[in-house]
Amino acid sequence: DSGVTQTPKHLITATGQRVTLRCSPRSGDLSVYWYQQSLDQGLQFLIQYYNGEERAKGNILERFSAQQFPDLHSELNLSSLELGDSALYFCASSVGDTKDRVSVNFGPGTRLTVT
Amino acid sequence: GENVEQHPSTLSVQEGDSAVIKCTYSDSASNYFPWYKQELGKGPQLIIDIRSNVGEKKDQRIAVTLNKTAKHFSLHITETQPEDSAVYFCAASKISGGYNKLIFGAGTRLAVHP
Repeated sequence: DSGVTQTPKHLITATGQRVTLRCSPRSGDLSVYWYQQSLDQGLQFLIQYYNGEERAKGNILERFSAQQFPDLHSELNLSSLELGDSALYFCASSVGDTKDRVSVNFGPGTRLTVT
Repeated sequence: GENVEQHPSTLSVQEGDSAVIKCTYSDSASNYFPWYKQELGKGPQLIIDIRSNVGEKKDQRIAVTLNKTAKHFSLHITETQPEDSAVYFCAASKISGGYNKLIFGAGTRLAVHP
């Protein structure tokens, strides 16, 4: 158990809809990351937050947005959903404050199915 | 841009044999190289990592080697067991001031046959 929790575990929704995925980092971790895993694209980095501030950005679509709250939990919002957004979405966390504590631990994921 | 290539995509070995997975990265500024194991229905699990100032690291049956000049790094699993069967991912990142953007390889599906 990595200590990273994600809800919901599964989500089925229709095209055009909006969903919110939630993540709680491991206790003591300040950085939160979001990754998308699909069959054809592998594990793709979306975005990183550190203590509430955006720290790094990947190929995150404009329809997607994320934030990290003062209690360090994070939410990933996906809007105007398309069939191609169907994927596993992973949240991960790390201590993130120094270059010596860099290990990134992944949560169990949210499986999103867009119909 | 940043890219990590991973080979082979599938690997089948007999129990007790060794398994080797190789990765190549494109960004010479990368300084952190973790390996993850992903079992069916689960999130990736960190199994070992190496920093750019180290050439080799071992943890029981698992070892990782890094060749910075060639921009290659490899995962070695000795005395494989059926429970080692999973998908393995390599990744590379340029750690800087809390910035940590892991770029993943495409994965290797390892099957260990009893």
